[in-house]
Amino acid sequence: TQLLEQSPQFLSIQEGENLTVYCNSSSVFSSLQWYRQEPGEGPVLLVTVVTGGEVKKLKRLTFQFGDARKDSSLHITAAQPGDTGLYLCAGDSTGNQFYFGTGTSLTVIP
Amino acid sequence: DAGVIQSPRHEVTEMGQEVTLRCKPISGHDYLFWYRQTMMRGLELLIYFNNNVPIDDSGMPEDRFSAKMPNASFSTLKIQPSEPRDSAVYFCASSSDGYGYTFGSGTRLTVV
Repeated sequence: TQLLEQSPQFLSIQEGENLTVYCNSSSVFSSLQWYRQEPGEGPVLLVTVVTGGEVKKLKRLTFQFGDARKDSSLHITAAQPGDTGLYLCAGDSTGNQFYFGTGTSLTVIP
Repeated sequence: DAGVIQSPRHEVTEMGQEVTLRCKPISGHDYLFWYRQTMMRGLELLIYFNNNVPIDDSGMPEDRFSAKMPNASFSTLKIQPSEPRDSAVYFCASSSDGYGYTFGSGTRLTVV
């Protein structure tokens, strides 16, 4: 099992603030994904990154894959209440098996 | 596209009973995954199938757990006998290429 640690574990911010969550591992991943999960639902894929140093943007969300492909970050600009949820990173190093991180629970207060 | 369909959404059962969870993947997806989510351990991969064949079941906790995929449109996860520590949310996910997972809404299992 590949250990993926996410930080912070919990985050509560005001609407309009910026935030960054982190996903770290000692393992090298061929690809890494970010998901958002809302209460009572399954995780929903946001993005997949595959190249070291890669940066992808999805509206106000910016995802970066570390140069060594061991870590990743998710930055949200001007957070909105709709961004509330559990953010999960998932890494694949063995092919077709993604191991999930511990998650960051984000609450955006209106 | 109806997405990945899981049933039941909620299951409450007594310790020692058999529990069967069901999953219908997205049509055309060759990969099917079973995950378990708890507060303590997060999302854990239990088993995954490729073209209906089990590829890796190393995440299955013990012999009480078994999974089958008799055809491309149906999979089951069975727990017999169930124990209170099996209480969790069980997710099924499918993928066409092993990368872009689509998850179902999960089955919340409570064993009392």
